[in-house]
Amino acid sequence: TQLLEQSPQFLSIQEGENLTVYCNSSSVFSSLQWYRQEPGEGPVLLVTVVTGGEVKKLKRLTFQFGDARKDSSLHITAAQPGDTGLYLCAGAGNDMRFGAGTRLTVKP
Amino acid sequence: DAGVIQSPRHEVTEMGQEVTLRCKPISGHNSLFWYRQTMMRGLELLIYFNNNVPIDDSGMPEDRFSAKMPNASFSTLKIQPSEPRDSAVYFCASSLGAGPGWGYTFGSGTRLTVV
Repeated sequence: TQLLEQSPQFLSIQEGENLTVYCNSSSVFSSLQWYRQEPGEGPVLLVTVVTGGEVKKLKRLTFQFGDARKDSSLHITAAQPGDTGLYLCAGAGNDMRFGAGTRLTVKP
Repeated sequence: DAGVIQSPRHEVTEMGQEVTLRCKPISGHNSLFWYRQTMMRGLELLIYFNNNVPIDDSGMPEDRFSAKMPNASFSTLKIQPSEPRDSAVYFCASSLGAGPGWGYTFGSGTRLTVV
């Protein structure tokens, strides 16, 4: 089983602050995805990273895939209350395995 | 497209009863996944299908759980008999492929409570 560890588990910040959350594994993944889940809904795909060292930007969100394709980070600039949610990383092997997530709260 | 549609949204049942969860994937998606989410264990893959064929059911917890996909537009997850520890949110997801790099589209889930 390819385990994905996400940190921190919980994060509470004020609007306007920057933050970074991490997704780490001892396994190499062919690709890695980040999802955001809001209460009462299913996870929604944010981005897929495929190449080691790849950086993708989605407005205020910056995603990076580690050079060895074992880890990834998500950086949010100037967080807003609308960014509140559970951020999940998922690594692709034969199927998709999810980390436990980082629960982010952005206070106005 | 209406996305992945799951029913019911909520289900409360008594221990020992049979529960059937339903999923309609996005038209044209040929892979379908059933996940279970709890606070303790996060999102766990139960089973997935590719072109209506079960590929990996190693995540199905016990023989009490079974899943079928009789056609490309419908899948069920059945629990018989249900137990309180089965209480969780069950998600169905579909994608264009099961291989690396394909994004999953999730339904809104079925919140199951077994009392």
